[in-house]
Amino acid sequence: GQQLNQSPQSMFIQEGEDVSMNCTSSSIFNTWLWYKQEPGEGPVLLIALYKAGELTSNGRLTAQFGITRKDSFLNISASIPSDVGIYFCAGYNNAGNMLTFGGGTRLMVKP
Amino acid sequence: ETGVTQTPRHLVMGMTNKKSLKCEQHLGHNAMYWYKQSAKKPLELMFVYSLEERVENNSVPSRFSPECPNSSHLFLHLHTLQPEDSALYLCASSQDGIRGFSTDTQYFGPGTRLTVL
Repeated sequence: GQQLNQSPQSMFIQEGEDVSMNCTSSSIFNTWLWYKQEPGEGPVLLIALYKAGELTSNGRLTAQFGITRKDSFLNISASIPSDVGIYFCAGYNNAGNMLTFGGGTRLMVKP
Repeated sequence: ETGVTQTPRHLVMGMTNKKSLKCEQHLGHNAMYWYKQSAKKPLELMFVYSLEERVENNSVPSRFSPECPNSSHLFLHLHTLQPEDSALYLCASSQDGIRGFSTDTQYFGPGTRLTVL
């Protein structure tokens, strides 16, 4: 089925550093969602994007809907230890209403 | 997000057992979903129910049997599972489901960690 390529697969950074991760697809997407999953829990929605070029912030998190509609980016500024988790991108493409997920980016933050 | 609850949180079962997973959503949504999350693999959609009607079955083995008695409750009945079925099973819900436009955000429960011995 439809796949989203998410990178990097993992990141190990120092507290206070900024983080960037992205998600790409070979087809056009109408909606991009970013989730965070902590150990032993389900994914929690962070940011939803609905328009090409849209830039949306949620605290220290900023996500963008790529102009080509084939990619999205998530940035975390001034990382803290509680940012640790797996970040998933997800989206709806033109083909239908099934949500497609990326493989996740595992973020580890060193205090 | 505490709008979607799942029980049990952990389950260990033998291959000959029969068990059920339960999901309940308190968000007034019309669609519910079962996902399987295995290590190092993307989330796999298993089943989708919209207005209590099954609208998606992604080639899931018959040893998994979903049930949606109403729009707030979703079950996953398990029987004669295999060790490779061990995974985190996630339930999600969304407002409009398959009949909605592609702006339908899904909200997830905490999952059931299943181990098949």
